[in-house]
Amino acid sequence: AQTVTQSQPEMSVQEAETVTLSCTYDTSESDYYLFWYKQPPSRQMILVIRQEAYKQQNATENRFSVNFQKAAKSFSLKISDSQLGDAAMYFCACSNTGNQFYFGTGTSLTVIP
Amino acid sequence: GAVVSQHPSRVICKSGTSVKIECRSLDFQATTMFWYRQFPKQSLMLMATSNEGSKATYEQGVEKDKFLINHASLTLSTLTVTSAHPEDSSFYICSARADTGELFFGEGSRLTVL
Repeated sequence: AQTVTQSQPEMSVQEAETVTLSCTYDTSESDYYLFWYKQPPSRQMILVIRQEAYKQQNATENRFSVNFQKAAKSFSLKISDSQLGDAAMYFCACSNTGNQFYFGTGTSLTVIP
Repeated sequence: GAVVSQHPSRVICKSGTSVKIECRSLDFQATTMFWYRQFPKQSLMLMATSNEGSKATYEQGVEKDKFLINHASLTLSTLTVTSAHPEDSSFYICSARADTGELFFGEGSRLTVL
C-alpha cells in the first residue's frame, strides 16, 4: 500500500514571493510516479508537475519546481514568484506503474496581494 | 492536451431518484477510469476503478449496488447513484489515465439530493 502525507493544511505567501509545500510518501514500489495537482475554486483538478521516481533530476515547469529526495521519500513543491492565480488547494499524489493513485489530504494555499 | 469531460456539472434531485453522471475522455482512449468523491475541504476519496468491458472494482466501504458503474466504451464511463438520499450529496469527480501515466480529471459533478 502507498500513503501520501501533506503536513501543512494551510499555507500563505505574499504575492511575488516563494513558497514551498511539503509532501512525504511511503511506497514499497521501486518504480512509481509523483505528482502535484492543483484544485482551484472551479474544482477541476489540474496537473502542476510530475516526477518519475527513476529520474534523479528534479522536475521543473516554469515557476514550479520540485525537490525530490528519494531516500527520504520527500517530494516538495516550490512555487516561485507567486501569483494570485496560484491560490488553490494543492494535492500531492503517488502512483505506481499500475493504476492506483494515492492522494495526500491537500494544502490550501492563499496568496496575499 | 488530453481532456476529460464530465456531465452534468450540477444536478439536483429528489430523494429516492437515480442520477447518472457521465465521464468522457475526449481525445484519448482510457481502458481505466476512476471515480472519486470529495467532501468540502477534504481530499479525493477513491470510490471505484472502472474497467472497460468488465466489472468495476470498488473500494472497501463503497456500496456497488448504490453506485453503479458502467464502462461501455474506451471513452465513456458512467456513475449512477441509485435511490439517492441526502447523505449522497457530494462532489463526484472522474479521472482517466493516459498512456503517459498522467491522470486527467473531469470538471466534477455536484450532486444535491433534496
